[in-house]
Amino acid sequence: DTAVSQTPKYLVTQMGNDKSIKCEQNLGHDTMYWYKQDSKKFLKIMFSYNNKELIINETVPNRFSPKSPDKAHLNLHINSLELGDSAVYFCASSQTGGPQHFGDGTRLSIL
Amino acid sequence: GQQLNQSPQSMFIQEGEDVSMNCTSSSIFNTWLWYKQDPGEGPVLLIALYKAGELTSNGRLTAQFGITRKDSFLNISASIPSDVGIYFCAGWGSNYKLTFGKGTLLTVNP
Repeated sequence: DTAVSQTPKYLVTQMGNDKSIKCEQNLGHDTMYWYKQDSKKFLKIMFSYNNKELIINETVPNRFSPKSPDKAHLNLHINSLELGDSAVYFCASSQTGGPQHFGDGTRLSIL
Repeated sequence: GQQLNQSPQSMFIQEGEDVSMNCTSSSIFNTWLWYKQDPGEGPVLLIALYKAGELTSNGRLTAQFGITRKDSFLNISASIPSDVGIYFCAGWGSNYKLTFGKGTLLTVNP
């Protein structure tokens, strides 16, 4: 029943490792997003895909690489993790121009 | 870039009181959204506003899209303990990006 689901919910790893976060939506939306929420709860857009095409790419280190195999999935791969990458990462989806629906987040902690 | 000022940053109220929070923008938005985030969860959409001057209610929540298109407010009437959480305003502008306010942390004392 979950509309936007992302895995894993918690991710604890060491500096320098490579990790991936997966996201799937079953709402039939054509646009998906990745957001980063820092410790002060500020939500910032990272990437957006519309029909599998990248349409928003904010100033994000190129260690972050999104991939959208189809309209219902958007994954985020992070290389060479750094301490500053610790945050909660949210996936969201929407129909073009419509309000965004969020997943429950992936809590990434870098040791 | 577009910026949103959301206030207040936090509120501590007694159960039963009414609450008001607002957002102002440095530029025009075409859509205003209000979200609530509970601990350990993602933001959940409360109200969406699409036209200047629009006033929309969702139960005890009422939100308005300002006439100037640069502001919006959210009111919660007769607050209850489960209203606790962080409330975010968000606006769609001409750059097709959703810009979020910094949130209002609401605490309700039973």
